[in-house]
Formats: sequence, C-alpha cells, structure tokens
Amino acid sequence: NAGVTQTPKFRVLKTGQSMTLLCAQDMNHEYMYWYRQDPGMGLRLIHYSVGEGTTAKGEVPDGYNVSRLKKQNFLLGLESAAPSQTSVYFCASSDRANEQFFGPGTRLTVL
Amino acid sequence: EDQVTQSPEALRLQEGESSSLNCSYTVSGLRGLFWYRQDPGKGPEFLFTLYSAGEEKEKERLKATLTKKESFLHITAPKPEDSATYLCAVRGGGYNKLIFGAGTRLAVHP
Repeated sequence: NAGVTQTPKFRVLKTGQSMTLLCAQDMNHEYMYWYRQDPGMGLRLIHYSVGEGTTAKGEVPDGYNVSRLKKQNFLLGLESAAPSQTSVYFCASSDRANEQFFGPGTRLTVL
Repeated sequence: EDQVTQSPEALRLQEGESSSLNCSYTVSGLRGLFWYRQDPGKGPEFLFTLYSAGEEKEKERLKATLTKKESFLHITAPKPEDSATYLCAVRGGGYNKLIFGAGTRLAVHP
C-alpha cells in the first residue's frame, strides 16, 4: 500500500516550458487535491477533484490546469512555466470529507 | 474570510522541556481542525482531527485541544525525534477545502 505517490521528485524548467506532474493514490479515495507550498506561507490549494472526470479551481489556480481521467490519478499541468511557479507541489487525497493524506512532494524550479 | 495563524513561527526546546504550540483561527462554521507534522523534504503527515470545543486527542507525547477560537498542540517531555514543522488547518463550509497556517518549526535539542 504505497498511499499517495508523486512523480517526478525534482524538476528544473526554463521560463515558457511546459510540464505535467503526476499524482497517484491506491486508497480508492474520491477526492484529490493539488497544493503548493512556499516559504513562510501555508499550503495553498491550486485545484481539486471530487471524483473521476471532475475538477474545480482552488485558491490559486491561475497558470495551472488539471485532469482526473482515472479515479486513482490526478495530473497537474503547467502550460507555460513562470519563475513565480517555483515551489514545492503536494498532492493529497481523502475519503470525501475526512482527513487528507499527502504525497512526498515535487520540488519545481523555474529559471 | 477564513484564516489560520500559528505561533510561534519557531520554537527551540531542550529535550524534556514541555511546551505548547498555538493555532488561532477564524472560520465560518468550523467543520474540523487538523494537525499535521511535516519533516524536511517530506509531505505533511496527519496527526489529529478535532471537531468541537472541549475536544482533546492524544498520541504519544502530543495532545491537541480545541476551543472556539484556537487550538493548542501540547508537547510533553519532547525528544529530538519530535523536531519537525507542525501545521494546523481548518475546514469550513462547502467542499473539503482546508485552510492551512504557515506552521511552527520545532527543534528539540538533546
């Protein structure tokens, strides 16, 4: 039982490049989330999903897109990366309104 | 607007020196207050959920309490392995959205 996994662990992009972060969970959770964590700030919700095929905007959605084609996977895309998107990205999942379980994170640097 | 403030930002303790971390919150209709532990380079690890004022939960050297305006994470006789950042989050109305505080960095020295 791996819980929540994220790939890749680290990535360096140049401004304007695109990339996709993959999150997978094996707990059969309905809800999945993408957060970013910046120094001195709390985790901020980017997008979330309450079920396969559904997505919604969180607190800081601009510059990101998501897809949930399968229940166990939640993808976060950056179409044109900007230095302001340098951050650590965490995926989480939950069984509806219960506690969220987090992945190990992806450290992204945009030059 | 829902908001969570944690204090202090950082705390240094000697091994065995008990203390408390504070989480003050404003939320329209609290539907849960969550404590997480985060080690450097890792994702947050769930510790506790509290739902109503007066509720308490314990796990080893940690005890979380809740009032109508704040929560405390009490650490009794801490050990160096308790060193981590402790995050507090609240859930208000609507979907399962959590509002996180910036965290308290705890360092316990032998």
